[in-house]
Amino acid sequence: SAVISQKPSRDICQRGTSLTIQCQVDSQVTMMFWYRQQPGQSLTLIATANQGSEATYESGFVIDKFPISRPNLTFSTLTVSNMSPEDSSIYLCSVETSPLGGEAFFGQGTRLTVV
Amino acid sequence: SQQGEEDPQALSIQEGENATMNCSYKTSINNLQWYRQNSGRGLVHLILIRSNEREKHSGRLRVTLDTSKKSSSLLITASRAADTASYFCATAGNTGFQKLVFGTGTRLLVSP
Repeated sequence: SAVISQKPSRDICQRGTSLTIQCQVDSQVTMMFWYRQQPGQSLTLIATANQGSEATYESGFVIDKFPISRPNLTFSTLTVSNMSPEDSSIYLCSVETSPLGGEAFFGQGTRLTVV
Repeated sequence: SQQGEEDPQALSIQEGENATMNCSYKTSINNLQWYRQNSGRGLVHLILIRSNEREKHSGRLRVTLDTSKKSSSLLITASRAADTASYFCATAGNTGFQKLVFGTGTRLLVSP
């Protein structure tokens, strides 16, 4: 299992600014995943972050808008850059601990409101 | 990747009743998982069923998987008010560490 500490839990930001979300895991994990959940919607994968390499982004998401760092096996950050009201969402980080495929563990999410 | 569809979108029942949620997906899978989300917070894993399994139980939860129809169902028996949440299915493809593709979700309301 894994326990994930994600912060901030919520923030209200001005348009045009950037917010960095942190995700700390209590054990070493190979891959970390960042999801976005728009209001009333399901989760959409933004990118997959491996330690020591650039993140892999899903279609519709770009590094300039959502830069990701993965400095070690227990930590990652996601930055939402040059924010607009359309970026208002819940952002969640997630990890899996088994390379054979199994349950994913999620942080408590960051509820972002852009005004 | 395309999301799976879940139905119903919303379900309202009384305590003690059973709740059934259905999930359909589009591609071949390694496994299918169900998650619960309370009030827009983090997701909690409920149960995982692999592609070679047809049914799985965990406490009051029963999950079925029909890979020929690309569908799954989650049954919660004897529901409680604390079961009120959103429920999502998520599929994992045939790779190692998995990107999960989430369904559209079902909002369950259990009234006392």
